[in-house]
Amino acid sequence: GQSLEQPSEVTAVEGAIVQINCTYQTSGFYGLSWYQQHDGGAPTFLSYNGLDGLEETGRFSSFLSRSDSYGYLLLQELQMKDSASYFCAVREKSGGSYIPTFGRGTSLIVHP
Amino acid sequence: GAVVSQHPSWVICKSGTSVKIECRSLDFQATTMFWYRQFPKQSLMLMATSNEGSKATYEQGVEKDKFLINHASLTLSTLTVTSAHPEDSSFYICSPKGLAGLETQYFGPGTRLLVL
Repeated sequence: GQSLEQPSEVTAVEGAIVQINCTYQTSGFYGLSWYQQHDGGAPTFLSYNGLDGLEETGRFSSFLSRSDSYGYLLLQELQMKDSASYFCAVREKSGGSYIPTFGRGTSLIVHP
Repeated sequence: GAVVSQHPSWVICKSGTSVKIECRSLDFQATTMFWYRQFPKQSLMLMATSNEGSKATYEQGVEKDKFLINHASLTLSTLTVTSAHPEDSSFYICSPKGLAGLETQYFGPGTRLLVL
């Protein structure tokens, strides 16, 4: 089985940089993903790390350290629209499928 | 990204009735379908995994006779909540997956169910 830990809430001001951490425990690791979910909406994919290091996509970056079972999502130049919940997720292989498990989510509140 | 639709987007029903939720992958073949449930302010909880043409595999604590999953084609899967009760009120989200690519997981827009 898997377990993931991430902070329940983070607040920041517009234009700032914020980092959301995620630690995980899993018996079989097949990558760490990040998703954004606005209130009332479905999750949308942000990034994926299968190997150690930093992946950058515009204002969002994600980092993974497999030896530390740790990753983070970095959001730069925060905008009000970034206020949402952010979930980290890991995959474990079960049978022939890769089963994703989500963390409890971090609520990001961006203030003007 | 992939186009996934869910129908209905929201539904209100009386306790004891059954509700069917459809999930369609519109531009790729979904060999696997994940069904999630999300209660307010909580994470997505995987309910079951189904492969096209096979019986679904349910997560521990999810009643297979209550949540009927049909994945008869590569573009359509349905979740039927049978004899719904108020505690089944939740946000149900499907996530189809094709053969290619482990990195990206796409989600349907979700179905909000309220059982009175």
